[in-house]
Amino acid sequence: DAKTTQPPSMDCAEGRAANLPCNHSTISGNEYVYWYRQIHSQGPQYIIHGLKNNETNEMASLIITEDRKSSTLILPHATLRDTAVYYCIVRVSTGNQFYFGTGTSLTVIP
Amino acid sequence: GAGVSQSPSNKVTEKGKDVELRCDPISGHTALYWYRQRLGQGLEFLIYFQGNSAPDKSGLPSDRFSAERTGESVSTLTIQRTQQEDSAVYLCASSVRDSSYEQYFGPGTRLTVT
Repeated sequence: DAKTTQPPSMDCAEGRAANLPCNHSTISGNEYVYWYRQIHSQGPQYIIHGLKNNETNEMASLIITEDRKSSTLILPHATLRDTAVYYCIVRVSTGNQFYFGTGTSLTVIP
Repeated sequence: GAGVSQSPSNKVTEKGKDVELRCDPISGHTALYWYRQRLGQGLEFLIYFQGNSAPDKSGLPSDRFSAERTGESVSTLTIQRTQQEDSAVYLCASSVRDSSYEQYFGPGTRLTVT
């Protein structure tokens, strides 16, 4: 399975957009990109996933580059409750394993 | 509705003892996963159950680790002869069908081996 690379930490001002990058340069054609987040002392929470096209839901937007080697998770209006570790994961469409890595620790600042 | 539950929430055990961790998935979810999360690290996949298929055990770190699931219900993760490096939070997740679907995580069991 492809591995992902994320910055270890980021800050974002409350109310501003948080843009979290992820590199997955070895991704293959059938591998999906998933984003989860983990708020301190809780289990991870699903955010969004995509294959090729950009995706948007009530929580976030996922922008995947045309070559699919990187993606960006966008939280359009960050709140203090968005402070968490954000994991970018690639998963083979027929596989069972998710490789969470160490993620990006996002701190939303008042 | 009820989410994924795990018990106990905390477990302290002496090195060399066996421990059993329990996971109750969301009703109707056929897929169940176990992960381990060491302090300050990401999640490590341990094992995956899908319906009545043979489980994917490829993430189990040693033969001291085993897991069972009866049908589409409760799962238990057993660690025999615990070691200090087994100290971690053990997370269980379930999904409605297979791993292409959103995983719902439980709160985890914090295991401390002294």
